[in-house]
Amino acid sequence: KAGVTQTPRYLIKTRGQQVTLSCSPISGHRSVSWYQQTPGQGLQFLFEYFSETQRNKGNFPGRFSGRQFSNSRSEMNVSTLELGDSALYLCASIRGGSTDTQYFGPGTRLTVL
Amino acid sequence: KQEVTQIPAALSVPEGENLVLNCSFTDSAIYNLQWFRQDPGKGLTSLLLIQSSQREQTSGRLNASLDKSSGRSTLYIAASQPGDSATYLCAVRRETSGSRLTFGEGTQLTVNP
Repeated sequence: KAGVTQTPRYLIKTRGQQVTLSCSPISGHRSVSWYQQTPGQGLQFLFEYFSETQRNKGNFPGRFSGRQFSNSRSEMNVSTLELGDSALYLCASIRGGSTDTQYFGPGTRLTVL
Repeated sequence: KQEVTQIPAALSVPEGENLVLNCSFTDSAIYNLQWFRQDPGKGLTSLLLIQSSQREQTSGRLNASLDKSSGRSTLYIAASQPGDSATYLCAVRRETSGSRLTFGEGTQLTVNP
């Protein structure tokens, strides 16, 4: 079965711009989580969506937002980009139960110049 | 607050050696612990998931153990191969945090031919 897909794979933006990243989970999975990975901070949780509702949120500024659609696809948006937003953004797909394996996509590499 | 620590940060071994990677966590109220592999610039590949009620899981040359009461997990890799070279990450899912995973910093493994 198809894995988790993320688009685009690479993005280059300039400071002040905004960006939208997309994640399509595994078919049948209802929960999507987003993570930011940087060399200095490692993997940090951004937010989680389950059945179109944000269920959990990490400690990131309001410039980071997300949503989930009825087909479980999720988007995250970063407004007013800063240099420090340069990172690998990963999404995880979970069927929905507490004992389920989490599967990650290949990530979107965002570079802010 | 859950904290996850991985030791060692880096490990270099000759091909064929058996090795152990360590992961410790501070909050024992977890649903499960998952081990991942990450190749440079890529997403995370799930290796093993251990539920909080389990002691160990095996997949091929990999064996992961969990001691929830002491807050420790180990990943044992038998007969290491150059293709095992990657960063290995452990992540715990807390009972009170939805699907959110808390990651360790990872162990960067190099297997030399």
